[in-house]
Order: sequence, then structure tokens, then C-alpha cells
Amino acid sequence: QVQLQESGPGLVKPSDTLSLTCAVSGSSISSNNWWGWIRQPPGEGLEWIGHIHYSGSAHYNPSLKSRVTMSVDTSKNQFSLKLTSVTAVDAAVYYCARYQTPPSYFDPWGQGTLVTVSS
Amino acid sequence: DIVMTQSPLYLPVTPGEPASISCRSSQSLLYSDGHKYLDWYLQKPGQSPQLLIYLGSNRASGVPDRFSGSGSGTDFTLKISRVEAEDVGVYYCMQVLQTPITFGQGTRLEIK
Repeated sequence: QVQLQESGPGLVKPSDTLSLTCAVSGSSISSNNWWGWIRQPPGEGLEWIGHIHYSGSAHYNPSLKSRVTMSVDTSKNQFSLKLTSVTAVDAAVYYCARYQTPPSYFDPWGQGTLVTVSS
Repeated sequence: DIVMTQSPLYLPVTPGEPASISCRSSQSLLYSDGHKYLDWYLQKPGQSPQLLIYLGSNRASGVPDRFSGSGSGTDFTLKISRVEAEDVGVYYCMQVLQTPITFGQGTRLEIK
């Protein structure tokens, strides 16, 4: 079955760039799916960051759009998230997930990776 | 942005009893194709969210039939016919009609 695994630094300094990667197994990232990122600050709810197609087409949350870039590496079957100029409010568990549309849902999700923002 | 509002935010339930969670959207999630673009997820303690219901009323693969989803264009309900101990966690509704995709605040279900 399809599995996703996030990886990246668990600690990022304020004003630095957060970079995460999601490795996909059990499915080709070039299949007709989108691949997304969702985050969850500690003790809080879920926030959609965006999703990207293997072709490079992407949709971003307007609240983060100026700082977010997503990309796909088909040779490694993985996709990535970059978030620039991070502050304490960007501290969260970051999840990657496959976004199937139609019919439009996130499934499955990765286990999540906690990112702390601190100097 | 479409605002999603869930109620209640906390739901204590006795095992074997039914449970119901409401989700209201600030605008209709009924699209011209006849589908309602509303999903339900369960985040069990210490785990990632998992898909329960998609397009308002379709159970995801492997989801027990005690879970059901229903609703109109703006008012949706997730029902559990008989709550089991493994159903504890936080339930989220999510609209996928338009970006930005938005979630409800979450409803925490606990066992009495």
C-alpha cells in the first residue's frame, strides 16, 4: 500500500528556511495524484499548507503563499516543502499526504514530523 | 475562505451508545456535479489523521459501518451508531470545494 514518510530538521532558527521532504513508497509520484502538506501546531487543529501535482502545478494557502514553495523529484519519488522566514508560529507537526482528486481527500498521511523554531 | 464550525468541541460518550458530531460550513459545499465536498477525519491519540468519510457520505476503505456521514449543502453530521473504545480521538471535518482547503476546529470524543 502507499506509504509516506516525512524527513527534515526538527529544529529551525527564526528567520531561517524550513525544508522538509516526503518520501513516497508503494506508488509512483508521477501517477495522477496530487501530494500535499498539512501542519498542526502543538495542541491545535489542522492547517492546509498546499498541494502539488507531479507536473509542478501547485495550490498554496494564501496565508502562507509568499513564503511557501513545493516541488517534486520524480527520480527520487519524493516531494518537498520549503517555508521561508520562519517564526515561532510556524512550529508544528508537519504532515505530508496524498491528495486524491477526484474525489478530493487526503489519504494516506505520513506519520508527521515535529518542527521546533528556536535560536 | 470557507469557515468550518464544528459542535460540540468535546463529546463524552458511554461505550455502546450513539454519538453525533455537527459540522457547518459558511457556504454551500454542494457542487454542480451533485457531490458535497466535505470529508471527515479521525486523529487518534498520538497518530496522524485518518480518512473516515469523503464526499459527505462515502465511507473510506476499511472504515467500520458504524460510521456514517450525511448532510445538506452547509450542515453535515458524522454519526457513530455504537461507540467503541477505539473511537476515541479528535474528529475533524474538512471542506475541499475550494482552496484554501479548511478544517473545522475538531471535536474530541472521549469515553465516559
